[in-house]
Amino acid sequence: TQLLEQSPQFLSIQEGENLTVYCNSSSVFSSLQWYRQEPGEGPVLLVTVVTGGEVKKLKRLTFQFGDARKDSSLHITAAQPGDTGLYLCPSNTGNQFYFGTGTSLTVIP
Amino acid sequence: KAGVTQTPRYLIKTRGQQVTLSCSPISGHRSVSWYQQTPGQGLQFLFEYFSETQRNKGNFPGRFSGRQFSNSRSEMNVSTLELGDSALYLCASSLTGQSYGYTFGSGTRLTVV
Repeated sequence: TQLLEQSPQFLSIQEGENLTVYCNSSSVFSSLQWYRQEPGEGPVLLVTVVTGGEVKKLKRLTFQFGDARKDSSLHITAAQPGDTGLYLCPSNTGNQFYFGTGTSLTVIP
Repeated sequence: KAGVTQTPRYLIKTRGQQVTLSCSPISGHRSVSWYQQTPGQGLQFLFEYFSETQRNKGNFPGRFSGRQFSNSRSEMNVSTLELGDSALYLCASSLTGQSYGYTFGSGTRLTVV
C-alpha cells in the first residue's frame, strides 16, 4: 500500500509571498501529477512529471520531482489570490488514484 | 474540445430515495472514473469504467453502482440514500487510464435531507 503525505495541510499567506508545498510517498511514483481544485469545481491537471530529478515550470509555478521519484514539491513565486485552492498530488495504486486531502492554500489580497 | 460534462449540477434528495448522476467524458476518452469528495475525507475513489467494463472499484457499499455505455458516457447510481452520502461527486475521464492524468468535470453537488 502506497502511503501518501502532503504538507502542509493548510497554508494562508499574503499576496506576493512565496511558498512551497510538498508531496511524499512511501513508494516510487511511476508518474506524478499535480492538480489544483477551486471551491465548487473539479480538480484541474497542472502538470505531469515522469523522470526523477525533473523540473517543470508553469509561469510562477515550479514543480520538482525527486531523484528517487518518491517525492515532489510545488513552489509558487509571488502568490496571487487566483492561486487559492486545494493542491493535490495523487498516488498511483493499480488503476486508481488515491488523492488524499491535499494542501489547502489561501492567498490573501 | 468540449470538457467533461456532469449533470445535474446540484441535487437535493430525501433519505431513502435513489439518485442517478450522469457523466459525458471528453470525446475519444474511454476511461471514466468516479470520486466522492467530502470535507473530512477528501476525494475517495468509487469506481472506474473502461470500454463498458468496471475495471476497478473502491471501498464503497453496494448501494453505489455505475455503468458505462458504448459511447463512453457513464452513470452512477446511489440507492437508499443516507445523510452521509451528501457530497460532491466528481467524474474524470482519460484516454486509457491514469498514467497521463485525468480531466475532471465540475461535479454534482448532492445534498441528502
